[in-house]
Amino acid sequence: GAGVSQTPSNKVTEKGKYVELRCDPISGHTALYWYRQSLGQGPEFLIYFQGTGAADDSGLPNDRFFAVRPEGSVSTLKIQRTERGDSAVYLCASSLMVADTQYFGPGTRLTVL
Amino acid sequence: QQQVKQSPQSLIVQKGGISIINCAYENTAFDYFPWYQQFPGKGPALLIAIRPDVSEKKEGRFTISFNKSAKQFSLHIMDSQPGDSATYFCAASSRLTGGGNKLTFGTGTQLKVEL
Repeated sequence: GAGVSQTPSNKVTEKGKYVELRCDPISGHTALYWYRQSLGQGPEFLIYFQGTGAADDSGLPNDRFFAVRPEGSVSTLKIQRTERGDSAVYLCASSLMVADTQYFGPGTRLTVL
Repeated sequence: QQQVKQSPQSLIVQKGGISIINCAYENTAFDYFPWYQQFPGKGPALLIAIRPDVSEKKEGRFTISFNKSAKQFSLHIMDSQPGDSATYFCAASSRLTGGGNKLTFGTGTQLKVEL
């Protein structure tokens, strides 16, 4: 079946702009995670959803970052007033149940000029 | 503070050889230790995983060795093939508020298998 999909695959923006990154999890997966992967590093946890609510957002770096999952399926990561340091690959993962294997999407490469 | 330390940063192995990647952790709350394989332009894909009550797990050419007292674990790839050339990440899982699992990743090992 279809895996986790993320759009766009690449996003180039200017410093100070607002961006939205979209994640479509595997159908039926209730848990959804966002991670950020900087060049040459492993992914770092940002936020976790169980259903529609953000159950744990302890990894969000500051209040410029926000994510929603209004219907318990698709999720959008929103970044306000982007900074050059936000440049990274943003990965989404989903799992069938909360303690199951996390399946990752291909990521969105964000470049802030 | 890096909670999962991974080495080496890069590794070159001859075809048919054994690739060994090591990781160490500090947080005793970690309860699940997966290894992920990542190809360029792709997301990480689960390769093999182990829980701390087991000292070794083998799946095909891939084996995890786990030393709970030393807080170390390693991935062994037997009979390494050129198709194994990728970046490998160890990870450790801890519980999140609401029941989910946070993966803390190592910094990755770039493996190249030469003919």
